[in-house]
Amino acid sequence: AQSVTQPDIHITVSEGASLELRCNYSYGATPYLFWYVQSPGQGLQLLLKYFSGDTLVQGIKGFEAEFKRSQSSFNLRKPSVHWSDAAEYFCAVGARSGGYNKLIFGAGTRLAVHP
Amino acid sequence: SQTIHQWPATLVQPVGSPLSLECTVEGTSNPNLYWYRQAAGRGLQLLFYSIGIDQISSEVPQNLSASRPQDRQFILSSKKLLLSDSGFYLCAWGGMTGGGTEAFFGQGTRLTVV
Repeated sequence: AQSVTQPDIHITVSEGASLELRCNYSYGATPYLFWYVQSPGQGLQLLLKYFSGDTLVQGIKGFEAEFKRSQSSFNLRKPSVHWSDAAEYFCAVGARSGGYNKLIFGAGTRLAVHP
Repeated sequence: SQTIHQWPATLVQPVGSPLSLECTVEGTSNPNLYWYRQAAGRGLQLLFYSIGIDQISSEVPQNLSASRPQDRQFILSSKKLLLSDSGFYLCAWGGMTGGGTEAFFGQGTRLTVV
């Protein structure tokens, strides 16, 4: 069965420090992978996606993610975190079932940024 | 450009009361539509998806139902709410292209059942 694991529930970093959020997926076919960000009380905004091609993908707000098939991972990174990056981050895998597409989400990682 | 509207933003309802949450999409036709629920401290759980008018599928058994009376309108309902229905409900739409497509989310409805 398809699943997404985000091992870190909470992460705290200092402003200006680098960031890496982990994501591991389980999916039998070629995965379509996504990272979303959610500010408190808001909907989800797409940060970046991987469908095929270059395994290092660039997204909005200075984020990037690297797809590693051998490790079934799609970790999100940012070289220098800003206070406004404090939010919850969700990794998702796109699955096709019964003729429709759906997203399977991880439980999320809540990021706190210290000044 | 496409936009998705979801309302109300917050809702407090007593146990046993009915529920109706509405979602509409603009700027696209024949979208896949989804209802997700996010319980406190947990990820997003897919509740319903729809690939067309009156074509609704449920992912998990529950106290809720969904309807799609128009191409770009998706409604989440309940006849009698339970305490366990509390959560953050998100409507989303996605395209029909291939096997990989991102979903675009509304701003969500915070439902508290008291």
